[in-house]
Amino acid sequence: KNEVEQSPQNLTAQEGEFITINCSYSVGISALHWLQQHPGGGIVSLFMLSSGKKKHGRLIATINIQEKHSSLHITASHPRDSAVYICAVNGGADGLTFGKGTHLIIQP
Amino acid sequence: DTEVTQTPKHLVMGMTNKKSLKCEQHMGHRAMYWYKQKAKKPPELMFVYSYEKLSINESVPSRFSPECPNSSLLNLHLHALQPEDSALYLCASSQDKGYEQYFGPGTRLTVT
Repeated sequence: KNEVEQSPQNLTAQEGEFITINCSYSVGISALHWLQQHPGGGIVSLFMLSSGKKKHGRLIATINIQEKHSSLHITASHPRDSAVYICAVNGGADGLTFGKGTHLIIQP
Repeated sequence: DTEVTQTPKHLVMGMTNKKSLKCEQHMGHRAMYWYKQKAKKPPELMFVYSYEKLSINESVPSRFSPECPNSSLLNLHLHALQPEDSALYLCASSQDKGYEQYFGPGTRLTVT
């Protein structure tokens, strides 16, 4: 079974800072997902990656398949970015295997 | 329509009750999933349906019974639950297994 590790577990930053969240996994995958969850809320899919880099607004996700590592970056962070960011992987035909999440707080 | 809907949003039930959770999508997706999420923990996969057939059951107790009546609808029937089953139950769908998953807002279940 794939082990998905995220770092940091908790991150507090000031508005405007550049944020990086890291994810590593133990077994080769078909795709990696970055998800966002607000407190008490459902989950929103931010990116699905199988190679390279994707950008959407202030969010950038990268993946290095050889190193089994992905990063999620937030540029010009804003308090509304405060949420839990979860890395999850597709190992094949199963549902997703999730990391424990990164609790991000952006202070005004 | 890129939405997965779940009803009810909140549910409180006693240990002897029978209730059902409902999930619906109209994106033409052929894979649908149930996940369970305890507080401050990541979601855990419970069931996967592919083309309306149960393809994965992650050793979930029989007091949880999934049903996929058609390609747009997924139910989770609950019976004789325990207080430790209290959690957020999330439904998701994808074009097929292995594709990007779209999540519903979840049903917050409390078992008393």
